[in-house]
Amino acid sequence: GDSVTQMEGPVTLSEEAFLTINCTYTATGYPSLFWYVQYPGEGLQLLLKATKADDKGSNKGFEATYRKETTSFHLEKGSVQVSDSAVYFCALGGGGNKLTFGTGTQLKVEL
Amino acid sequence: DSGVTQTPKHLITATGQRVTLRCSPRSGDLSVYWYQQSLDQGLQFLIQYYNGEERAKGNILERFSAQQFPDLHSELNLSSLELGDSALYFCASSLGPQTGRSGNTIYFGEGSWLTVV
Repeated sequence: GDSVTQMEGPVTLSEEAFLTINCTYTATGYPSLFWYVQYPGEGLQLLLKATKADDKGSNKGFEATYRKETTSFHLEKGSVQVSDSAVYFCALGGGGNKLTFGTGTQLKVEL
Repeated sequence: DSGVTQTPKHLITATGQRVTLRCSPRSGDLSVYWYQQSLDQGLQFLIQYYNGEERAKGNILERFSAQQFPDLHSELNLSSLELGDSALYFCASSLGPQTGRSGNTIYFGEGSWLTVV
């Protein structure tokens, strides 16, 4: 079945550091890929998405490229801020009517 | 604000009891999804309704049931509650019946925290 693997957290960075959160997936066919973010005490918010191979999703300085050859959708940001501290979830939309989520990666950004 | 409204935000109840969680989808959205988020299981899909009809079922226990009403709001009923049911329950909505490969965006509410004591 479909599955998503994310890097373990927490990830702790200094402000203005470069961020990468790895995400790989297993799915049949051509799924859509998503990154959601959960700020403390809040619900899940869609951060970005890509629906086909080589698509790049971007939002708020975050980017992720759908790599079919490596089955990956790594999240990157060039310069993180304290306000980016949150839990980030990679998700896959496959053949069923649901999203399959990774376990989430907690990001802590310090001054 | 995603436009998905969930009530109550927090709920504490005893084992063996029954609770109902309520969800109002975004205006115009016909699909409603329920997810459970717990520390040990992560985010698990429970069930989806589209325009009043059950569309997809995930890891939903037999003690749990849901429905979507004609005004499109949805309720998740949890009965014979156990300590392990303590979790954050999310409702989400989307416009169409299909998600997945279509890339149809699913919008999440802020969740209902359930604590079973």
